[in-house]
Amino acid sequence: AQSVAQPEDQVNVAEGNPLTVKCTYSVSGNPYLFWYVQYPNRGLQFLLKYITGDNLVKGSYGFEAEFNKSQTSFHLKKPSALVSDSALYFCAVRSLTGTASKLTFGTGTRLQVTL
Amino acid sequence: SQTIHQWPATLVQPVGSPLSLECTVEGTSNPNLYWYRQAAGRGLQLLFYSVGIGQISSEVPQNLSASRPQDRQFILSSKKLLLSDSGFYLCAWTVVRATEAFFGQGTRLTVV
Repeated sequence: AQSVAQPEDQVNVAEGNPLTVKCTYSVSGNPYLFWYVQYPNRGLQFLLKYITGDNLVKGSYGFEAEFNKSQTSFHLKKPSALVSDSALYFCAVRSLTGTASKLTFGTGTRLQVTL
Repeated sequence: SQTIHQWPATLVQPVGSPLSLECTVEGTSNPNLYWYRQAAGRGLQLLFYSVGIGQISSEVPQNLSASRPQDRQFILSSKKLLLSDSGFYLCAWTVVRATEAFFGQGTRLTVV
């Protein structure tokens, strides 16, 4: 069975400061990891993914994530937060079942960026 | 390019009434299709997924059902809604053995 943990319900950061949203995972075999963002009453938008290769993955809107195999973590980061980054962020891990590709999501972390 | 359409955006239904939510994908063929439910604006629960026409897998027992009458059409249904069916329903798709999934804009269902 696979699982994702996002230990923080909410992260507060001042605009211009760096942000980190934490994610740890548990999966058999090689992990395929993802970050999504959700704005109120909207669907999820894909931010970035880790499949293989460099441990530092760059994605949309200046976000990046660092894959750490020994710590089974995939933390989302941004060097300088914007108020417009305030949203709900989901970490997800993928498994394959036959020809299907199922994503298992964490419970989400609400990011609040203030002036 | 591929797009996903999900409607309606909002729906208010009385308890005991039927439900039909529709999702269609454009610009790809033979996608894997998924229905998720999000309660209270937080975690997502996978309800159903489909790898082809008429092939439906259910992840959790519930009052809902799903059907895939066409390759790029995925329908979520109920014969009689319960209050507990209220939530935000999201349709998503991937191509076979691809990586990320792409989501529709969601349907906010309120059962009253």
